[in-house]
Amino acid sequence: QKEVEQNSGPLSVPEGAIASLNCTYSDRGSQSFFWYRQYSGKSPELIMSIYSNGDKEDGRFTAQLNKASQYVSLLIRDSQPSDSATYLCAVMVDNFNKFYFGSGTKLNVKP
Amino acid sequence: GAVVSQHPSRVICKSGTSVKIECRSLDFQATTMFWYRQFPKQSLMLMATSNEGSKATYEQGVEKDKFLINHASLTLSTLTVTSAHPEDSSFYICSASGTENGYTFGSGTRLTVV
Repeated sequence: QKEVEQNSGPLSVPEGAIASLNCTYSDRGSQSFFWYRQYSGKSPELIMSIYSNGDKEDGRFTAQLNKASQYVSLLIRDSQPSDSATYLCAVMVDNFNKFYFGSGTKLNVKP
Repeated sequence: GAVVSQHPSRVICKSGTSVKIECRSLDFQATTMFWYRQFPKQSLMLMATSNEGSKATYEQGVEKDKFLINHASLTLSTLTVTSAHPEDSSFYICSASGTENGYTFGSGTRLTVV
């Protein structure tokens, strides 16, 4: 079983719509959760981090965490074509000081 | 802040030679750095965790004698791909923690072994 699971997509949404990206993880000891955006051929860049249950908002982005369900999501409001990228969910497994990534979800925002 | 510099960005080498990739934290000290490999259209795969002053911890299936990691200082970790072969061609990325809000990635190194 993979540590972090994501739907590979592609997820296509029209410009201005809400894009919803989901992620599940297997280790209940996971404490820290991150969403990264990666453009083709580039390194990932951090969008959001979340540590406690509930929602965390930053501009057009909202991260949601449900530890009981081992589920993390990212909502992108008012999606723009420039948001088209692969979104990676990452989980820090503190006990072993390891950082695992999901396989990523490719998002296409159509003008 | 929290800038990680990775060098070189691209390297082409002949099969059988070794290649060294450097990862530097420019404005913070990183006791732990991670090395990843990413094949085309695939996600980042953790190769090893590099701890300053101690041996690296390798993920299952990663050959420690082939991928040598040295973390001699709080700002520098190196990955050496020894006796490289075409199947080692990949995108190698390092990351380090500079803040409590996540890990910063280097710009990556695209290795092509011919």
